[in-house]
Amino acid sequence: AQSVSQHNHHVILSEAASLELGCNYSYGGTVNLFWYVQYPGQHLQLLLKYFSGDPLVKGIKGFEAEFIKSKFSFNLRKPSVQWSDTAEYFCAVSAGSYSGGGADGLTFGKGTHLIIQP
Amino acid sequence: DAGVIQSPRHEVTEMGQEVTLRCKPISGHDYLFWYRQTMMRGLELLIYFNNNVPIDDSGMPEDRFSAKMPNASFSTLKIQPSEPRDSAVYFCASSEGGGNYEQFFGPGTRLTVL
Repeated sequence: AQSVSQHNHHVILSEAASLELGCNYSYGGTVNLFWYVQYPGQHLQLLLKYFSGDPLVKGIKGFEAEFIKSKFSFNLRKPSVQWSDTAEYFCAVSAGSYSGGGADGLTFGKGTHLIIQP
Repeated sequence: DAGVIQSPRHEVTEMGQEVTLRCKPISGHDYLFWYRQTMMRGLELLIYFNNNVPIDDSGMPEDRFSAKMPNASFSTLKIQPSEPRDSAVYFCASSEGGGNYEQFFGPGTRLTVL
């Protein structure tokens, strides 16, 4: 079974600061990796995902993440955060397409609550 | 598209009562997922369906929980009898496919069991 670890539960930054949120997963096979975001009062929505190809993926709102297979990591980055980035961020993993059936659900990390101070 | 629709948005009930949560997935999506979010355990997968068939229910906590998908546009999650430890936010999500496809989440149902 997969597991996901997010290193920071709460992060407070000032506007224009750079952001990196850590995510590590444990799973022996091929994985699909996701970052979801939940803005205050809104639904969970996808920021970006990786399943194959270029390990550096770009998502919405200037976010990017890098898959480092040797480190089992998928850290989220943004060079300059804005007040509107205040939200809860979730890293998630599902088993890859070659792992067989019955493995399509997401395993989530506990989330990181990000607060951006103006 | 209206997105994934869940009802009710809030439910307060007393211990021992039956609770039914409802979900309407996005039209054309073949997969439907139920998740539960609590402070202690975070977001957990309870069960998911593919083409209305339950594929993996290993996350359902116990026999008090059951889920059905009678057709492609409707699913229910039932708790009978409910207990205070069932208090959580329950999310429904749907996707076009499994694995690497994006899951679209509903707004959630906040359940409080007194």
